[in-house]
Amino acid sequence: QVQLQESGPGLVKPSETLSLTCTVSGGSITSYYWSWIRQPPGKGLEWIGYIYYSGSTNYNPSLKSRVTISVDTSKNQFSLKLSSVTAADTAVYYCAREGYYDSSGYYVHDAFDIWGQGTMVTVSS
Amino acid sequence: DIQMTQSPSTLSASVGDRVTITCRASQSISSWLAWYQQKPGKAPKLLIYKASTLESGVPSRFSGSGSGTEFTLTISSLQPDDFATYYCQQYNSYSWTFGQGTKVEIK
Repeated sequence: QVQLQESGPGLVKPSETLSLTCTVSGGSITSYYWSWIRQPPGKGLEWIGYIYYSGSTNYNPSLKSRVTISVDTSKNQFSLKLSSVTAADTAVYYCAREGYYDSSGYYVHDAFDIWGQGTMVTVSS
Repeated sequence: DIQMTQSPSTLSASVGDRVTITCRASQSISSWLAWYQQKPGKAPKLLIYKASTLESGVPSRFSGSGSGTEFTLTISSLQPDDFATYYCQQYNSYSWTFGQGTKVEIK
């Protein structure tokens, strides 16, 4: 079955760039949409953005100016870069698969069915 | 942006109780509504998508209903494993937002 695993530094200094990678195992990264979602300690979930295996992206407007999501199909990985971080960016960061193909073969955007275990990133000097 | 509002924020219940959580959208989202369960230190788990479709492997005591702007998640008979935080999530125009969560506690 498909599994996701986040990796990257757990500590980032203010004003620097947060960089995380999600490795997809047990299946191909192609043909699905992949997202990053974060959760500050004790708070709710926030969608950051998605990437399609072709490289097409869309970002949360509240983060758009600081976010870049990229994909490496040869490694079955996709990555997140968040620039100019502050303490407000301290959170658990999750990668997740979104959507599915219906019986007619059309892609249906809906929910996140597979999640990584999450990785805690702290922004602090 | 579409805002999602869950109620209540916290719910105290006993094993065997019927539990209902409500989620309201700031504008119509048709049936593009999902529900998740999250336990401490774990990733969210998808329970229901498209407002009422049960994800594979999820117990049938979970059910979802609603369309437009008002949705509900019902647990027909609360089990010890169900004490957790529940989130709703909407999809609209290539953008997703979550509710603030409902914590189901032991009474």
